[in-house]
Amino acid sequence: AQSVTQLDSHVSVSEGTPVLLRCNYSSSYSPSLFWYVQHPNKGLQLLLKYTSAATLVKGINGFEAEFKKSETSFHLTKPSAHMSDAAEYFCVVSVLPNAGNNRKLIWGLGTSLAVNP
Amino acid sequence: NAGVMQNPRHLVRRRGQEARLRCSPMKGHSHVYWYRQLPEEGLKFMVYLQKENIIDESGMPKERFSAEFPKEGPSILRIQQVVRGDSAAYFCASSPRGGQIGFGEQFFGPGTRLTVL
Repeated sequence: AQSVTQLDSHVSVSEGTPVLLRCNYSSSYSPSLFWYVQHPNKGLQLLLKYTSAATLVKGINGFEAEFKKSETSFHLTKPSAHMSDAAEYFCVVSVLPNAGNNRKLIWGLGTSLAVNP
Repeated sequence: NAGVMQNPRHLVRRRGQEARLRCSPMKGHSHVYWYRQLPEEGLKFMVYLQKENIIDESGMPKERFSAEFPKEGPSILRIQQVVRGDSAAYFCASSPRGGQIGFGEQFFGPGTRLTVL
C-alpha cells in the first residue's frame, strides 16, 4: 500500500538556522513526490516536485529536497530559515493505485514549522 | 490572473441542513479536484471533475455527497443532511491538464471550513 509519513509533527528552529523536514514514503511504483506549504488561512502552494528527473530538486523560496530511493525518503531542507517560512508543510506522493490513468495524491499529516527570532 | 477561488470561506450548518461549497478554477483550467481535511488528518482525495464530467469519484462518500462542474459557472460540492462528522476543511484544486500530468500541477484554493453544529 502507498503511504507517506512525515516524521515530525512540529519543528521549531531559530531564524537563520537550517531547516530539515523529514518525509518517508512507501510506493509500489516509481513515485512522483511533492512538498506543499500552507500559510495560515491561505491555500496550499506547491514548493517543489520530483518526477524521476534529477534527484535533487530545487523549489521556491530557497527550499530543496532530495529523493533517496534506497532510503525511501524525500526530506525538505533550507539552509537558513526566515520568519516568513513559518507554516504547515505537507509531503505528498502521487501514485497509480490501479491500471487506470487516474493517479491519486496521498498526503502526509503535515509538519508545523515555527521560526523563532 | 486570479488564483483558485472558493466560497464561502467559512460555513456553519446545523445537523440535517445542506451545505454547498463553490470552487472557481483558475482561468484556463478545466480540471477540478476536491479534497477534505479532517482535524488532525492529511488531505484526502474526494473527486476529480472535468467540465460536465465526473472523472473519478472514488474518494466520495457513497451517500449525501455529490459534486458537479457545469459548463458554465463554478464547481459545486454538495453535502446533504450534514452531520457533525462532516465538519472539516474542504479544498478545491484546479489544473490545466488532467490525468497523470494533471495530478502534478494542481493549484489550490484557500479552502472552505465547514462547521456542523
